[in-house]
Amino acid sequence: KQEVTQIPAALSVPEGENLVLNCSFTDSAIYNLQWFRQDPGKGLTSLLLIQSSQREQTSGRLNASLDKSSGRSTLYIAASQPGDSATYLCAVRPWNYGQNFVFGPGTRLSVLP
Amino acid sequence: DAGITQSPRYKITETGRQVTLMCHQTWSHSYMFWYRQDLGHGLRLIYYSAAADITDKGEVPDGYVVSRSKTENFPLTLESATRSQTSVYFCASSPLAVLAGGRETQYFGPGTRLLVL
Repeated sequence: KQEVTQIPAALSVPEGENLVLNCSFTDSAIYNLQWFRQDPGKGLTSLLLIQSSQREQTSGRLNASLDKSSGRSTLYIAASQPGDSATYLCAVRPWNYGQNFVFGPGTRLSVLP
Repeated sequence: DAGITQSPRYKITETGRQVTLMCHQTWSHSYMFWYRQDLGHGLRLIYYSAAADITDKGEVPDGYVVSRSKTENFPLTLESATRSQTSVYFCASSPLAVLAGGRETQYFGPGTRLLVL
């Protein structure tokens, strides 16, 4: 059974710092890996999707990498801003799970002004 | 463009009562999903549907019932609510999968916070 973990569970940084969020998964047989953002009291918004054949994806100040062989992904946020404060969830879509994702528990990020 | 909506946004009920959470999407996406989110567990899949009249169990289906008579609606019913079903419930939708493409994502509603007393 695929399991997804995220480290750290919570992170607090001053504005302007570069930071890295980590995601690990136990089974490398995946279609893709996705990073979501969740704001308090709201749903999830997709940030970056990396297909299994890709190594990384970039969007603005965000860069996500994927190493399937080691079962790891990182989300790099450059020059963090208070507006980046949210919970970040990692999710994988396993081969044997149809259209469904398996989610990690998330990392709660606070960027202090 | 409303996208995907959930109602009610907040619900308080008592143990043993039946509760129905509604989900509506305006994109005509084939796939729809129900998740629950609990502290320490992340999101866990309850049920999903590949099309109208086609539903299947996810990771934690016990105590829940779903139906999908129309593509745009996917209600989730707790037949006899229990305290362990206190949670935040998210509905999501996704367009028809490109089987080998792996490019599709899921679009989430704002969630329903359910408290079972």
